[in-house]
Amino acid sequence: QKEVEQDPGPLSVPEGAIVSLNCTYSNSAFQYFMWYRQYSRKGPELLMYTYSSGNKEDGRFTAQVDKSSKYISLFIRDSQPSDSATYLCAPAGNKLTFGGGTRVLVKP
Amino acid sequence: NAGVTQTPKFQVLKTGQSMTLQCAQDMNHNSMYWYRQDPGMGLRLIYYSASEGTTDKGEVPNGYNVSRLNKREFSLRLESAAPSQTSVYFCASSVASGGLDTQYFGPGTRLTVL
Repeated sequence: QKEVEQDPGPLSVPEGAIVSLNCTYSNSAFQYFMWYRQYSRKGPELLMYTYSSGNKEDGRFTAQVDKSSKYISLFIRDSQPSDSATYLCAPAGNKLTFGGGTRVLVKP
Repeated sequence: NAGVTQTPKFQVLKTGQSMTLQCAQDMNHNSMYWYRQDPGMGLRLIYYSASEGTTDKGEVPNGYNVSRLNKREFSLRLESAAPSQTSVYFCASSVASGGLDTQYFGPGTRLTVL
């Protein structure tokens, strides 16, 4: 079993919709939780991170962590075509562990 | 600042050939990393270097060697390329702040081994 699991998608939504991305992990030692965004043929870039269970909001993006269920979510409100990318969850303890990523397509 | 740069951007090798992938960062970061990315597998750590002069194996080190030439540069060498090493290779560097280690990635090298 992989340490971090993500549905590969693609997840296709119309512009303006809410995008909901999920990730599960197995290692209880993970202490903080990151989301990276990767555009096609580019390197990943850090989108946001959170340390604790609960929600963290940053503009149109909300990261949610449920440590008791080992479940991580990312929500994108008012999605735009420019949000079309692959989103990688990356929980971390003393090292970063990446999920396989979910490809998101936002159609105009 | 250029951030993290990688050369070459693309490379095609024949089985058994060798090559070195170059990576440099201008952010004065201590730690540097090499990952490979394959469809459905996510990013897998090959080697990392916590500081100049040190290197450690990651999840998938077999078939690779690394050199931390100085604080800026971290190279990845394939001594005898195999088709299983066809992948996209990313270099990253990181800085620790408040217990959080944020990694910054280069644009990647697309390698095909025939």
